[in-house]
Amino acid sequence: DSGVTQTPKHLITATGQRVTLRCSPRSGDLSVYWYQQSLDQGLQFLIQYYNGEERAKGNILERFSAQQFPDLHSELNLSSLELGDSALYFCASSVDGVGNQPQHFGDGTRLSIL
Amino acid sequence: KNQVEQSPQSLIILEGKNCTLQCNYTVSPFSNLRWYKQDTGRGPVSLTIMTFSENTKSNGRYTATLDADTKQSSLHITASQLSDSASYICVPPMNRDDKIIFGKGTRLHILP
Repeated sequence: DSGVTQTPKHLITATGQRVTLRCSPRSGDLSVYWYQQSLDQGLQFLIQYYNGEERAKGNILERFSAQQFPDLHSELNLSSLELGDSALYFCASSVDGVGNQPQHFGDGTRLSIL
Repeated sequence: KNQVEQSPQSLIILEGKNCTLQCNYTVSPFSNLRWYKQDTGRGPVSLTIMTFSENTKSNGRYTATLDADTKQSSLHITASQLSDSASYICVPPMNRDDKIIFGKGTRLHILP
């Protein structure tokens, strides 16, 4: 058990809809990362927050947004969903924000767009 | 050009055999290099983190090496077990603009 909790585990919705994915980081970790993993693809970095502030941004679409709350949990909002957004979305947390400590991953939210 | 290349893409070996996975990267380092193991449908799990003062680092049957001059790393698995069947992902150091880049991984299959 990594200590990182992601909800929901599975989500099925239709094109054009909006969803929110939630992540609770490991106790004591200040940094939260979001990744997208499409079928048989590598992990694509979306965005990182550190102690409530955006720290780094990857290939995140404008239709996607995220935030980290004062209690350090994070949410990833996906809107105007398209078929191509179907993927596993992982959240990870770490103590630091500069990549020198391991990231601890949740088991992901599997998003299916019909 | 991809900033991280892993080889082979997939590998099948018999239980008990050793294997070595390769990772080449191009980014200029600002942090450490990491190897992760990802079981199908699960989140990755950290295996090793290597600083640039380390040439080799072990974690049980896993040994990672790093040549910072040539920007090459390898992950050696000794006496493979069925539970080693997974994808092994190399994460080179974050580059200057802090974008984290994961390799596509090597998919390892261990046969009994």
